[in-house]
Amino acid sequence: NAGVTQTPKFQVLKTGQSMTLQCAQDMNHEYMSWYRQDPGMGLRLIHYSVGAGITDQGEVPNGYNVSRSTTEDFPLRLLSAAPSQTSVYFCASSGMGAGDTEAFFGQGTRLTVV
Amino acid sequence: GNSVTQMEGPVTLSEEAFLTINCTYTATGYPSLFWYVQYPGEGLQLLLKATKADDKGSNKGFEATYRKETTSFHLEKGSVQVSDSAVYFCALSGSYGKLTFGQGTILTVHP
Repeated sequence: NAGVTQTPKFQVLKTGQSMTLQCAQDMNHEYMSWYRQDPGMGLRLIHYSVGAGITDQGEVPNGYNVSRSTTEDFPLRLLSAAPSQTSVYFCASSGMGAGDTEAFFGQGTRLTVV
Repeated sequence: GNSVTQMEGPVTLSEEAFLTINCTYTATGYPSLFWYVQYPGEGLQLLLKATKADDKGSNKGFEATYRKETTSFHLEKGSVQVSDSAVYFCALSGSYGKLTFGQGTILTVHP
């Protein structure tokens, strides 16, 4: 059972560099989301998707882009990294059935922007 | 909008002590409520959940009851172990699988 797989686990970027955080799930879930975790602030929603081809902004979307070309994959792109984007990033997925209220999380990506 | 407030942390306890972590929420409609746990260096795992008022979620000795009248979902455990040391997050469900999280509470249990 792979569940939700995120890569890489760790990354160091220089200010202005770009990168893509990968997220894949094998549970055929319609809903996928990206969160960032910062000390004392819990997890905050960056972007989310309700299915292939459909994405929307969350609470803190600035500086991030997403796309969803398949049900399985939901990459997060940083076009020009800034030190304020130093954080731990989590991808999550969940189903849309009445009983599918649980979200499954990846192991996280720890990103440092210097 | 939705919001979740957890008690200020961190919490430090001795093994076998009683644990309570308070969680209150503000939401429209009838959300599901969750406690997630994050062990050091790992992602979030669902600890327990409750989907409607007066439901009690339980797992691994932890319990929480969905109290609509007080808009609360406090986490309790009668006797904590060193292995329970982790960060605990209270969360509520919104539309399209979105979750609103509390700030997180760091629990450290000493032998």
